[in-house]
Amino acid sequence: SQTIHQWPATLVQPVGSPLSLECTVEGTSNPNLYWYRQAAGRGLQLLFYSVGIGQISSEVPQNLSASRPQDRQFILSSKKLLLSDSGFYLCAWDRGGYGYTFGSGTRLTVV
Amino acid sequence: QKEVEQNSGPLSVPEGAIASLNCTYSDRVSQSFFWYRQYSGKSPELIMSIYSNGDKEDGRFTAQLNKASQYVSLLIRDSQPSDSATYLCAVNGNTGFQKLVFGTGTRLLVSP
Repeated sequence: SQTIHQWPATLVQPVGSPLSLECTVEGTSNPNLYWYRQAAGRGLQLLFYSVGIGQISSEVPQNLSASRPQDRQFILSSKKLLLSDSGFYLCAWDRGGYGYTFGSGTRLTVV
Repeated sequence: QKEVEQNSGPLSVPEGAIASLNCTYSDRVSQSFFWYRQYSGKSPELIMSIYSNGDKEDGRFTAQLNKASQYVSLLIRDSQPSDSATYLCAVNGNTGFQKLVFGTGTRLLVSP
């Protein structure tokens, strides 16, 4: 069966520090993958999506970047975090027309 | 700009009642519609999908779709306190692959 893993679950980082969040999918090949951010009390904001290795599309200009070094691995990064980067970060796997399955999420607090 | 609109709530219903959650969307060519449940502090969980006009039932949940009115709803029968959560409506953007657009969600509170 297909599963999606996301870590870490929580993270507290100082302003100006780097960030690396990882997402991996098991049980499927060449999945479409997505990074979303949910700020407190807000909706889901699509940050990046990828349809294959090395292919990244950015939805909004921001302080973040994404990479897909392997077929089932999707990484969200930042060189220098801002206070406004705080939020709940979610990785999602596209089930081919049957909706998304989300990872368990990373709650990031920038202090 | 493709949009999905939901009333933020909270929608308060007593235990055992029917909860009705509504969603409208702006893109007429949308083909796939989903309802997600999100408990506080947790990630969204897919609970219903619907692709054609009419009703689709799954246990206590019924999804209703009216493409002419660009309207999709979720009914929860015999509401339980454990149904208290935020419900997100999602619509595909029909861009050639499945990129979903999410509403901001409706918070449902079911009181014992």
